Amino acid sequence: GAVVSQHPSRVICKSGTSVKIECRSLDFQATTMFWYRQFPKKSLMLMATSNEGSKATYEQGVEKDKFLINHASLTLSTLTVTSAHPEDSSFYICSARSGRNEQFFGPGTRLTVL
Amino acid sequence: AQSVSQHNHHVILSEAASLELGCNYSYGGTVNLFWYVQYPGQHLQLLLKYFSGDPLVKGIKGFEAEFIKSKFSFNLRKPSVQWSDTAEYFCAAINQAGTALIFGKGTTLSVSS
Repeated sequence: GAVVSQHPSRVICKSGTSVKIECRSLDFQATTMFWYRQFPKKSLMLMATSNEGSKATYEQGVEKDKFLINHASLTLSTLTVTSAHPEDSSFYICSARSGRNEQFFGPGTRLTVL
Repeated sequence: AQSVSQHNHHVILSEAASLELGCNYSYGGTVNLFWYVQYPGQHLQLLLKYFSGDPLVKGIKGFEAEFIKSKFSFNLRKPSVQWSDTAEYFCAAINQAGTALIFGKGTTLSVSS
């Protein structure tokens, strides 16, 4: 099946710093990628939909100035958590949609903000 | 608002027991439905999906799900669970705009050997 990678897998940063997370579709092109946040013992919460070459669409309640998304190519989308705070600590997961309308998920990135 | 509901938060079974996990979605019209599994320490994997056709869908590892349109349900079943089925199970549906997946809260399945 299709493979989606994320980098880094784990990051620890100080409060106030910015962190960039990369999501890559390794063997297919994805015009649409999605960013989710997974809280402990909770489901995935869709944060935003990232479309190649255009602005991301953010879900209600998600601050677009805090969670910057860039989808510069058909295989790469990035999520930048700006001025991170401890409450931003979470597991961030991306997915990429294939031509068959299936979503393939990355392994996730564990962000810890001290 | 569109939503996906999973009624069982935590299910505990012994090996060889039968499994059924409930899933309901909140909106009508065309739906695309999925079950994903997340094993401890691993990322989400697709178990099975329903787009159209036969409402009884067979997936990997002996899992199946039945789409019942009149009940807005897509329950996951397995006749005999194994210890290795211990995982988090998520039901999901593509939203009406066709742009994103909406997930249920997940069900933790614990299987004792």
